[in-house]
Amino acid sequence: GQNIDQPTEMTATEGAIVQINCTYQTSGFNGLFWYQQHAGEAPTFLSYNVLDGLEEKGRFSSFLSRSKGYSYLLLKELQMKDSASYLCAVRGAAGNKLTFGGGTRVLVKP
Amino acid sequence: DARVTQTPRHKVTEMGQEVTMRCQPILGHNTVFWYRQTMMQGLELLAYFRNRAPLDDSGMPKDRFSAEMPDATLATLKIQPSEPRDSAVYFCASGLFDNEQFFGPGTRLTVL
Repeated sequence: GQNIDQPTEMTATEGAIVQINCTYQTSGFNGLFWYQQHAGEAPTFLSYNVLDGLEEKGRFSSFLSRSKGYSYLLLKELQMKDSASYLCAVRGAAGNKLTFGGGTRVLVKP
Repeated sequence: DARVTQTPRHKVTEMGQEVTMRCQPILGHNTVFWYRQTMMQGLELLAYFRNRAPLDDSGMPKDRFSAEMPDATLATLKIQPSEPRDSAVYFCASGLFDNEQFFGPGTRLTVL
């Protein structure tokens, strides 16, 4: 089975940095995804890690350590529009099936 | 502008009625997924297809839910009979092989 944990909620100030952690225990691993979901909208793809290390995409970076079953999403220079839920999802060994964590709701304050 | 489309966007029905949700995946994508999202359970996978063949529907209550892909441009999710606990947002997503999944706007279902 799959077990994915991430904090329920985080608050940060505009312009600051926030790090959202995700730990997972899965039977097989074939990649970890981060999605952003604004209230009332669909999830949208942010990043993908399959090898250990850091992937950077503009203000967003994602890190993976397979041996530790750990990933984080780093959001820099926070903007008000970054207020959303951030979902960590793990792809198991078979196919493209994703298991999602419960999501971390990030609130950016002025 | 390729995107996944879903109909209807909102559905209110009474307990016991049949509900059919439709999804048009992005042209050329070969995997299609149905998810259900609630506040309590988060985002749960109900079923997924690769090249129109069902690969995994273990997350779906089989007695009342069914998912099909009659052709490459249409996926359907049917609930019969519907129950109040089925109230949720149902998302369809599509992808190409093992790349990222693209989500549709969802169908917000309320069963009274």
